[in-house]
Amino acid sequence: AQTVTQSQPEMSVQEAETVTLSCTYDTSESDYYLFWYKQPPSRQMILVIRQEAYKQQNATENRFSVNFQKAAKSFSLKISDSQLGDAAMYFCASFTGANSKLTFGKGITLSVRP
Amino acid sequence: DTGVSQDPRHKITKRGQNVTFRCDPISEHNRLYWYRQTLGQGPEFLTYFQNEAQLEKSRLLSDRFSAERPKGSFSTLEIQRTEQGDSAMYLCASSLSAAPGELFFGEGSRLTVL
Repeated sequence: AQTVTQSQPEMSVQEAETVTLSCTYDTSESDYYLFWYKQPPSRQMILVIRQEAYKQQNATENRFSVNFQKAAKSFSLKISDSQLGDAAMYFCASFTGANSKLTFGKGITLSVRP
Repeated sequence: DTGVSQDPRHKITKRGQNVTFRCDPISEHNRLYWYRQTLGQGPEFLTYFQNEAQLEKSRLLSDRFSAERPKGSFSTLEIQRTEQGDSAMYLCASSLSAAPGELFFGEGSRLTVL
């Protein structure tokens, strides 16, 4: 079974600053993928960034990067130069080939102060 | 193709009535997922299809819930004899099996059971 834990329910960041969202996971599989998804208010969820567990290099997508600590089963998301449009719920999720489904954490609400 | 579409966007029904939701995935996507999301929580997996085959169903999916994907195209999720606890957002997502975990979500169908 997979579990994903996001223990911070809310965070706030000043526009243009950097914020880190935390996530831990647990899986018995060796082949898995980790994701961060963003759900803006009243809009559909979109993929932010993906990390393959077999890759040691941390994934980066423009202002978004991850810190993947495999031994600690930690997967945090760093948002640099925060923008007002980054305000949303962010979900950490894991996926394994064994069951082919995404398992989500409870999410964190990020607010951006102008 | 404009993405994943879901219909209806909102449904209000009385307890005991049946409801059906429809999802039209991105046309070339062979996988289709249904998730349920309650306020302030992460999406919970319900079921998924690869082409027309329903490959996994969550224990959350009681016998009042049924999903189909005829001909591997659109999908329907039916809830019979609705209960107040069924009130939630029902999310549909599609993906390519070659891109594990990279789901494209619709805007969801919000169900309110009175």
